[in-house]
Amino acid sequence: AQSVSQHNHHVILSEAASLELGCNYSYGGTVNLFWYVQYPGQHLQLLLKYFSGDPLVKGIKGFEAEFIKSKFSFNLRKPSVQWSDTAEYFCAVNRGWGKLQFGAGTQVVVTP
Amino acid sequence: GAGVSQSPSNKVTEKGKDVELRCDPISGHTALYWYRQSLGQGLEFLIYFQGNSAPDKSGLPSDRFSAERTGGSVSTLTIQRTQQEDSAVYLCASSTGQAEGTEAFFGQGTRLTVV
Repeated sequence: AQSVSQHNHHVILSEAASLELGCNYSYGGTVNLFWYVQYPGQHLQLLLKYFSGDPLVKGIKGFEAEFIKSKFSFNLRKPSVQWSDTAEYFCAVNRGWGKLQFGAGTQVVVTP
Repeated sequence: GAGVSQSPSNKVTEKGKDVELRCDPISGHTALYWYRQSLGQGLEFLIYFQGNSAPDKSGLPSDRFSAERTGGSVSTLTIQRTQQEDSAVYLCASSTGQAEGTEAFFGQGTRLTVV
């Protein structure tokens, strides 16, 4: 079955540490990939997206992600996290018609 | 409005009752989506509207769930004879259309608790 897998369910790290969240998908063919973030008490917001072109995409708040087609991966990175990056992060694939299939999410806690 | 608006923000209902959840999309957005976020199931797609029609209802979990959209704008998700497993946060999203890479904007969700 087609799926989106996020490797870590919970990540705890200190401010200024680097963050990398893994995402793998099992769809064939052309894919549109997204990372969404949900800050505590807030709605889901788009961090970044890939649909063509440069496989290294940059998003808001210093986040970036690299699309590696051969590995079916779209990992999210940030070189130095802040306490305000505490949130739940979701990887998603466009299944057509704009429908999104989400991974299970990764809860990230950044400690001061 | 500035964003996707959902109401109510919280709803507690007794098992067996019907509930209606409302979504006001961003003005001009032709595509509208309903998702459900629950513990253990993550974020699940429920239904997609393009204008007033629903080309994809494949995510609706049972025939107790239905949705409609009128005037190409407001949408209502109805759950009949609610069950405890329906407890979840129901999210609505809208976008400008089907173009690849189009961003979907999400509302705050309605937290439904069935007791």
